[in-house]
Order: sequence, then C-alpha cells, then structure tokens
Amino acid sequence: DVKVTQSSRYLVKRTGEKVFLECVQDMDHENMFWYRQDPGLGLRLIYFSYDVKMKEKGDIPEGYSVSREKKERFSLILESASTNQTSMYLCATQAPGLHLNFGPGTRLTVL
Amino acid sequence: GENVEQHPSTLSVQEGDSAVIKCTYSDSASNYFPWYKQELGKGPQLIIDIRSNVGEKKDQRIAVTLNKTAKHFSLHITETQPEDSAVYFCAARLTGGFKTIFGAGTRLFVKA
Repeated sequence: DVKVTQSSRYLVKRTGEKVFLECVQDMDHENMFWYRQDPGLGLRLIYFSYDVKMKEKGDIPEGYSVSREKKERFSLILESASTNQTSMYLCATQAPGLHLNFGPGTRLTVL
Repeated sequence: GENVEQHPSTLSVQEGDSAVIKCTYSDSASNYFPWYKQELGKGPQLIIDIRSNVGEKKDQRIAVTLNKTAKHFSLHITETQPEDSAVYFCAARLTGGFKTIFGAGTRLFVKA
C-alpha cells in the first residue's frame, strides 16, 4: 500500500507567519498534489507536481507556493498566513491513470 | 470550468437499508469517476471507481452506475452497517489527466 505521511496532524499559527506543510510518500509516484478541504466545498486543488522541481497551479493557488526538491517530498508553503487559510490540508499521490492516495491531513488554524 | 454536483449533502438511514448518493458532472470529456470514503480524522480513501466504457461496477455491498448521456453517476450501498457512517465524495477526471474535480461530499449516518 502507498503510504503518504504529513508532518503535522494539527497546527496553530498566527496571522502573517510563514507556514510549511510537509508531505512524504514511499511509493515512487511521480504525481503529488495539495488539496484543501472545507465544509460544503469538497476538496479543491491548490497545486500539483508531476516531477521533481516541476509544479503547476491548481484551482486556488493564491497565497500558496510549493516545493518539490526530491521525488518523495512535496511541501506546501503559506508565505504569510491569513485567517481565511484556516482549513484541512490534504496531500495526495497518484500513479499515472489511477486514483489519488491521500495522507491523513493537517488541520491548520490561523489566529 | 469543470464542476461536479453531489446530492444529498446529508443522508440518514436505518441499519440494513440502502443508501444512494448521486452526482452530476459538467465536462463531457471526463472518463474516470472515483468514489472516496472519509472517516473521522482520516484522509479520503478510494472505495470504488468506474471508467466511461462501463455502465455499472459492483464490489460486494457497493455499486456504482454511470449514465454518460445524462452525465450522471451514482453510488449505491446495500445492507448498510454502522461502520459505513462517513463522508463520501464523488469525483471526475480525464484518464491520464492531473485534475480530479470533487463533489461537495455527503455525510452518511447509519443508525443502529
């Protein structure tokens, strides 16, 4: 089974802080994704990466950036956290043509 | 852009009854339709998927149907059990594409 781990389950940050969310996978999948999950809105794609150092914007990239220096690791960065970025963040991997494999999620609260 | 609508948002059934969740997608080019189950405190997990060259797929108590003409697909759970209580998401994507578009989710309660 693919294992996707996220560095924190819960995180509390202050407005204006720089926040790093880390995701690591152990199955050598090229494709990695960051989604945010909000009640009534489902899962929305923030950014994805199809190879090391490659990144593409998803549907809601504003206020976020990403880094993929190694194949197994995909980081989401909030340059200056704001209260409207309080959410559940889900990392996922995908083998080509197949389904997404999600990590357990990080619940971020920005005060 | 592409949109997936999911109904109902909340569903409550008695143990042993059936549950049906319906979704509609907007992009006729979509050809891969996965369903995910999210239990409390966990990330979503795939429970079943269907591709556009198939009209129906079953896996034990779970079945998915697809009507490409109407751009509808549905999840059917028979003989529901308390452990089926969770949030269910439908989704749509182009096979080989990167973007999976999700419905808003259905919270299913199965009462013992």
